[in-house]
Amino acid sequence: EDKVVQSPLSLVVHEGDTVTLNCSYEVTNFRSLLWYKQEKKAPTFLFMLTSSGIEKKSGRLSSILDKKELFSILNITATQTGDSAIYLCAVKGAQKLVFGQGTRLTINP
Amino acid sequence: GAVVSQHPSWVICKSGTSVKIECRSLDFQATTMFWYRQFPKQSLMLMATSNEGSKATYEQGVEKDKFLINHASLTLSTLTVTSAHPEDSSFYICSAYIPGLAYEQYFGPGTRLTVT
Repeated sequence: EDKVVQSPLSLVVHEGDTVTLNCSYEVTNFRSLLWYKQEKKAPTFLFMLTSSGIEKKSGRLSSILDKKELFSILNITATQTGDSAIYLCAVKGAQKLVFGQGTRLTINP
Repeated sequence: GAVVSQHPSWVICKSGTSVKIECRSLDFQATTMFWYRQFPKQSLMLMATSNEGSKATYEQGVEKDKFLINHASLTLSTLTVTSAHPEDSSFYICSAYIPGLAYEQYFGPGTRLTVT
C-alpha cells in the first residue's frame, strides 16, 4: 500500500528561524512529489518535484527530492508569521495523490 | 489559471438528512475529479475518483451507497452525503485532474459539513 510519512508532525519556531520539513514515501509507479500549504481552506500548490537532486525554489521556500532514498525536504528560510500553516506532502502514483499527515508549522513573533 | 469551485462552502444539516455538494471546473473540462475528506488535524484522505460518464471508483472503507457521486458533465461532479450522521462532519474537498498541466490537480475551496 502506498504510504507518505511526514515529520515532524508539529513544529513551533520564532520568526526569522529556518525550518526543514521532511517527507518520506513508498509508492509504486512514482510519478511526482508535491508540496502544498494549507491554511484554513483547501491546499495551495507550492512545488512539484519529479527529478532527484534538482532544487526548486520560490522566494524563501525551496525543496528537493531524493528518489534513491525516497524522501523530500521543504526548507523555509527567514520564517514569517504568515508561514504558519499545515504543510502537506503528496506523492502521485499511477493516477491518484497520496497525502502525508502534514506538518503543522507555527511561527511565533 | 484553472479554477475549481465548490458549493456550498459550508452547510449545517440535521442527522438523517442528505446533503449535496457541487464541484465545478470553471474554465476547463475535467474528465476526472477527486473527492477528499479531511477530519480536524488530519490529512486529506481520498474518498473516490469521479469519471465523467461512468461510475465513481471508491477507496477502500468508503461506503458508496452513503456517499453518492455523480459526474454527469465535464464541468460538474456532485457528492451527496445520504442519511448524514454527526461522524460525517468533516471538510470535503474536490479536485479536478488535468493531465499534462503544471501540477495536474486543481483543488476546490472545500465544503465544511456539520451534522447536528
